Amino acid sequence: DAGVTQSPTHLIKTRGQHVTLRCSPISGHKSVSWYQQVLGQGPQFIFQYYEKEERGRGNFPDRFSARQFPNYSSELNVNALLLGDSALYLCASSPTRLNFLRYEQYFGPGTRLTVT
Amino acid sequence: DAKTTQPPSMDCAEGRAANLPCNHSTISGNEYVYWYRQIHSQGPQYIIHGLKNNETNEMASLIITEDRKSSTLILPHATLRDTAVYYCIVRVALQGAQKLVFGQGTRLTINP
Repeated sequence: DAGVTQSPTHLIKTRGQHVTLRCSPISGHKSVSWYQQVLGQGPQFIFQYYEKEERGRGNFPDRFSARQFPNYSSELNVNALLLGDSALYLCASSPTRLNFLRYEQYFGPGTRLTVT
Repeated sequence: DAKTTQPPSMDCAEGRAANLPCNHSTISGNEYVYWYRQIHSQGPQYIIHGLKNNETNEMASLIITEDRKSSTLILPHATLRDTAVYYCIVRVALQGAQKLVFGQGTRLTINP
């Protein structure tokens, strides 16, 4: 079975530009979460989506947005890129929202974004 | 958010058991302890989780103290491929959603 897939693998953008990152969850998983991992730190929670609705948001500015599609894939959008947005962006999927605390999340390989 | 504390680094000899400690003294009664590891900037890999009982799977064992304020991840026979950053995480409910709150983790180095 395919795991969580993300595209692109690497991306280089210039300050002020916008970027769209994509994620496909494991088949049958309805929840997608996004994390940002700056070099040398642990991943930081950005968003969680379940059944195409935002269910949780971390401490990130409004420049960050996301959406989930009917097939449960997801996009993360970042506008007006800053140098500090350079990071590994990770997508994770979970099977269901029910009994959420008992289900593990499965992470994709990430998208490495470099802002110059 | 419940916070976890881990040593920044540990070393272990290949073939020996690696014991990784974690303190989570502010954990709530319905919060699970999760362990993930991350190898060289790949996506984090799920290892094991538990609530209050000890757990074991094909990768590791998780020992949770009776007061739930700390836990230990045990890799019974460490190999070189177990070299990674190991994260002890308390999974937090966030207004109907849930998130993983990662700390700095423990960088485990397995030596030949």
